[in-house]
Amino acid sequence: EAGVAQSPRYKIIEKRQSVAFWCNPISGHATLYWYQQILGQGPKLLIQFQNNGVVDDSQLPKDRFSAERLKGVDSTLKIQPAKLEDSAVYLCASSLGSVLLEQYFGPGTRLTVT
Amino acid sequence: KQEVTQIPAALSVPEGENLVLNCSFTDSAIYNLQWFRQDPGKGLTSLLLIQSSQREQTSGRLNASLDKSSGRSTLYIAASQPGDSATYLCAVAPGGTSYGKLTFGQGTILTVHP
Repeated sequence: EAGVAQSPRYKIIEKRQSVAFWCNPISGHATLYWYQQILGQGPKLLIQFQNNGVVDDSQLPKDRFSAERLKGVDSTLKIQPAKLEDSAVYLCASSLGSVLLEQYFGPGTRLTVT
Repeated sequence: KQEVTQIPAALSVPEGENLVLNCSFTDSAIYNLQWFRQDPGKGLTSLLLIQSSQREQTSGRLNASLDKSSGRSTLYIAASQPGDSATYLCAVAPGGTSYGKLTFGQGTILTVHP
């Protein structure tokens, strides 16, 4: 079974620029998560989707971050404009549903903001 | 607010040793607890998932225990190998309706030297 796919793997941008990350979850997984992992810390949940709908976005900085999951499959996470403190690894994960909670993670996108 | 702490932050052991990684959490109202492994530049791999009603789970050389009332979990690794070198993260899933919102510890960096 194919795992969670993410692209790009690495991205370097200057502050105030915009950037977008893409995630393709495991086929059939209804729930999709985006996490931010700052160096030396554990991942922090940014947003959780159940099919097309947002379940939890309480920790998403909505003034600059946005995310969508069209057709309940792929998802994109966008940052506009980026700040230095956004430098982190952005991890996408998926699970079968909100009850079956084993989450499967993609390789992540490492973002460096200069 | 749930807080997860992992001790020690880093651990270096010779090959063959048995070792214990510790995880503590402040809110005992959890749905489950997961242990993950993270290799440099890669995403997270789920190792063990313990439901709140369980006391322990085993997979090969790994054994995870859960004491929900005291807010503690341990990951026991038997006969450690250099290939076990990685960062180990524990994460708790809350009860109630926020099933998927994992809260992670900051991780334990394990180095097993030959």
